[in-house]
Amino acid sequence: AQRVTQPEKLLSVFKGAPVELKCNYSYSGSPELFWYVQYSRQRLQLLLRHISRESIKGFTADLNKGETSFHLKKPFAQEEDSAMYYCALSSFSGGYNKLIFGAGTRLAVHP
Amino acid sequence: ETGVTQTPRHLVMGMTNKKSLKCEQHLGHNAMYWYKQSAKKPLELMFVYSLEERVENNSVPSRFSPECPNSSHLFLHLHTLQPEDSALYLCASSQGASGYTDTQYFGPGTRLTVL
Repeated sequence: AQRVTQPEKLLSVFKGAPVELKCNYSYSGSPELFWYVQYSRQRLQLLLRHISRESIKGFTADLNKGETSFHLKKPFAQEEDSAMYYCALSSFSGGYNKLIFGAGTRLAVHP
Repeated sequence: ETGVTQTPRHLVMGMTNKKSLKCEQHLGHNAMYWYKQSAKKPLELMFVYSLEERVENNSVPSRFSPECPNSSHLFLHLHTLQPEDSALYLCASSQGASGYTDTQYFGPGTRLTVL
């Protein structure tokens, strides 16, 4: 079964501390993984996707197929990083992609 | 407004009411989606339309009825809902091109409360 697990509901850190939001997935094929972010009073938006292999707002995520993980990392958290973060797995068929979301992790960065 | 818009932003309805949620995308996309976001569950895919054809219906109760009259508009018709249907309903769209997974763009959502 396709599944995305984010084990932490809340991650609370101080400004400048490193951040790692965990994501594990279950998928039989070749996965495509995403991180979406929802800032307070804003819509859900794409943060990054694994095939881009880019860093957005200082965040990176590496797909580890052996551990079936796609953890999101940032070396130095900023207060503006406080938001809900959702890991998502995509399966493509029939001309569209179907996203399966994890439950989300709320990141709170304190001054 | 550009991107994906949803109306209304908030809706309160009784269990016997009939109402509709509207989504419009201004991105020229071919695929549109309805998701349900409730407090106790992860974001759940409800329906998918690709080129105005429904291609997925994730075992959603018949009291939710989607409609996609054209590639820019998506509706979710609501009838005799239950209090547990109270949630944030999100619309999304994507390019829908074949061969690769494209980014989904989300609307702001409609906060639905069923009394």
